[in-house]
Amino acid sequence: QEQLVQSGAEVKKPGASVQLSCEASGYTFTTYHIHWVRQAPGQGLEWMGVINPSGGSPIYARKFQGRVTMTSDTSTNKVYIQLSSLRSEDTAVYFCARLGFDYWGQGTLVSVSS
Amino acid sequence: SSELTQDPAVSVALGQTVRITCRGDNLRTYYASWYQQKPGQAPVLVMFGENNRPSGIPDRFSGSTSGNTASLTITGAQAEDEADYYCNSRDSSVDHLYWVFGGGTKVTVL
Repeated sequence: QEQLVQSGAEVKKPGASVQLSCEASGYTFTTYHIHWVRQAPGQGLEWMGVINPSGGSPIYARKFQGRVTMTSDTSTNKVYIQLSSLRSEDTAVYFCARLGFDYWGQGTLVSVSS
Repeated sequence: SSELTQDPAVSVALGQTVRITCRGDNLRTYYASWYQQKPGQAPVLVMFGENNRPSGIPDRFSGSTSGNTASLTITGAQAEDEADYYCNSRDSSVDHLYWVFGGGTKVTVL
């Protein structure tokens, strides 16, 4: 069955970068765009952007433009998100979700603390 | 405006009906989708399009849209429906490339 499996939790210091992965299985990887969504502790969902695994330019939410990079690797069925210049406000659970938001990864906790 | 506005919280007696609303100009152009999220879990899609339930979602969940307001109705709420509910849609401003989520509604089943 369709599944998105994300990489493990990360602890980073302010100013650092983090890269998370999301591995798709159970369907043709290149068929569906993948969204990234984050959720700060006790807060709501925040859309970060979307990538077409087949190629083309990702679309990033205005808030994250200049600080986020999304990539894909069709050889491993993985998409990646890199967030740079981390600050404490970036502490959140990061989710990947398939186009239509019908399947979600389990989430990856990123903690940013000095 | 590209925002989606939800009431922060609502409560419903067990077995009764509750309607959760989501308001925003985007909804005049795009349908909302709805997600249920329980503590410590990823969101689950419960409604999309005009009134479409993914496989496995009980038929006590229904959706509707009127003007700039989308609604998710739970008819005969069950204890397991207690959760946070989020709406989202494509952003109709500028170039329709972005997506936006509402702030979420916490549903308590009494």
